[in-house]
Amino acid sequence: QVQLQESGPGLVKPSQTLSLTCTVSGGSISSGSYYWNWIRQPAGKGLEWIGRSYTSGSTNFNPSLESRVTISLDTSKNQFSLKLTSVTAADTAVYYCARELRRAGATAYYFDYWGQGTLVTVSS
Amino acid sequence: DIQMTQSPSSLSASVGDRVTITCRASQSISNYLNWYQQRPGKAPKLLIYSASSLQSGVPSRFSGSGSGTDFTLTISSLQPEDFATYYCQQSYSNPPYTFGQGTKVEIK
Repeated sequence: QVQLQESGPGLVKPSQTLSLTCTVSGGSISSGSYYWNWIRQPAGKGLEWIGRSYTSGSTNFNPSLESRVTISLDTSKNQFSLKLTSVTAADTAVYYCARELRRAGATAYYFDYWGQGTLVTVSS
Repeated sequence: DIQMTQSPSSLSASVGDRVTITCRASQSISNYLNWYQQRPGKAPKLLIYSASSLQSGVPSRFSGSGSGTDFTLTISSLQPEDFATYYCQQSYSNPPYTFGQGTKVEIK
């Protein structure tokens, strides 16, 4: 059974960098069939896709966040991470990591496993 | 960006009711449409992928249909555990992936 678990500071000061790690168990992040994603959700609001990384190291980001986001993989630890720089109160949210499956022939892409989420509050 | 619009934003229904939620894309996305269920305080859970394919382990009372710009999620007989918020998500165009604003299903 695949499991994802987010970890990192729950409180970040404005203008600083938010750093989170997602530890994957029950499967390898080196598998070529998957992308590794970060998604966030402000309290009481909807879901916002942040970005993803592939096993090759290639990445895609939401243009609204692209200038501040880094996503990287650590295959030796079976983890991937998110860094978001210059945070403001608007970045306060529950952050989820999620596995995205790419079905053969690129006929479908979907988030099949999610972490439980971690609340990050930006405040001084 | 492709905009995803769900309707209604919320609805009240009783156990046993048939419930339909609609999702409209701002441009054609073929069948690259997924549905998720989110219970309070929990992560989203995949229900339907590719517009109409039921994810393994998801009860058969959930079904999806549509193609192009208009999609529906149907719960044939609402159960107590189905009271949650439902999101559609397009996986046709990246970046960015986009979600609908959500539909909250409440107990009448």
